[in-house]
Amino acid sequence: DADVTQTPRNRITKTGKRIMLECSQTKGHDRMYWYRQDPGLGLRLIYYSFDVKDINKGEISDGYSVSRQAQAKFSLSLESAIPNQTALYFCATSDSGGTGDTQYFGPGTRLTVL
Amino acid sequence: SQQGEEDPQALSIQEGENATMNCSYKTSINNLQWYRQNSGRGLVHLILIRSNEREKHSGRLRVTLDTSKKSSSLLITASRAADTASYFCATDRHNAGNMLTFGGGTRLMVKP
Repeated sequence: DADVTQTPRNRITKTGKRIMLECSQTKGHDRMYWYRQDPGLGLRLIYYSFDVKDINKGEISDGYSVSRQAQAKFSLSLESAIPNQTALYFCATSDSGGTGDTQYFGPGTRLTVL
Repeated sequence: SQQGEEDPQALSIQEGENATMNCSYKTSINNLQWYRQNSGRGLVHLILIRSNEREKHSGRLRVTLDTSKKSSSLLITASRAADTASYFCATDRHNAGNMLTFGGGTRLMVKP
């Protein structure tokens, strides 16, 4: 089973709708991240959380919010989706202990906003 | 703005040839990492090189780091068709915790 899972894997929605993307991990890591990737580009950090109750804005947090419900779960919400939020979204985890510098990625959620 | 910039943006080679990708960055770093992404999938960590290291090997991968030039290179030797993917460098900057800043990637195609 995958260590970092994301649901849904694909989502098509309409402008103005509220969308939640979920991420779960079984790696026991304390740190979790949300990134977006646009075609042909690298990843940009949206939000990150170093433990439960710790939430930090990344490079492009406007239009997004997050919730760290438990150490293993980190969800990303688009309160009112707009077409330029169409992208591939990735969740990642890392461990502040042992391999703290390496991030482990989920399979991604492809979001299309019409 | 992106910390890392890869060069070239795209690279096409024949199976068996070596592939070299370069990454340049702007600010001081703790370490630099290389990740691989198969089309539309999540990134997979390949190798990490710390700021006090100059070269590192892992199987067919060789990474160099020149902190004076703020640049790194990833060499894949004896490439295989299965190496076809996008490769990203990511920097862990000083005083930025465990946050990584990714470059735009190099798309590598290895022709059989």
